[in-house]
Amino acid sequence: DQQVKQNSPSLSVQEGRISILNCDYTNSMFDYFLWYKKYPAEGPTFLISISSIKDKNEDGRFTVFLNKSAKHLSLHIVPSQPGDSAVYFCAAGPTGNQFYFGTGTSLTVIP
Amino acid sequence: DAGVIQSPRHEVTEMGQEVTLRCKPISGHDYLFWYRQTMMRGLELLIYFNNNVPIDDSGMPEDRFSAKMPNASFSTLKIQPSEPRDSAVYFCASRAGTAWTGELFFGEGSRLTVL
Repeated sequence: DQQVKQNSPSLSVQEGRISILNCDYTNSMFDYFLWYKKYPAEGPTFLISISSIKDKNEDGRFTVFLNKSAKHLSLHIVPSQPGDSAVYFCAAGPTGNQFYFGTGTSLTVIP
Repeated sequence: DAGVIQSPRHEVTEMGQEVTLRCKPISGHDYLFWYRQTMMRGLELLIYFNNNVPIDDSGMPEDRFSAKMPNASFSTLKIQPSEPRDSAVYFCASRAGTAWTGELFFGEGSRLTVL
């Protein structure tokens, strides 16, 4: 059974607007949360992370929010750019090595 | 600096054949991971090594799958015999065992098609 779920397979956003990608997890023991970005024919690349002691982490245009009580995290991209068009994977795990990935959300930023 | 290198990039084989996928991690990284990507299940962790020793292989789907890391710069994932349901993209990733940042460095993947 999927321990990390990304229920939106795809998302389209206008350039300059906010993109919000959502992720839910089931295991309350998860303490580490990550977002990866993947372009076609390439491996995933690390985007941003957060540990359970925080509820927000920001890196430039990217912000990850964690709501442990709801077992939910989200990635906000502001402003969205066409180069952000990619598949975004959410991952979570109990340790720094054992991560469970979601099935991904394909983001399209429309110029 | 070279990233994680995987070979082959594409492999097409027939059911029952042996498949070997190869990975060279980033020099100095002491953790190596094998993942499989499918549409239905996303990225699944198959096995990971620390200092060439397998730590957790609970994600290996069946005995037909095996992985080795004979030295710090090389790992293989073998499927014998292969089946059509093994068709997927297989990724290798590595990281250093220093302070955790969450960053795994992935290779470009090996796309396997079993006919």
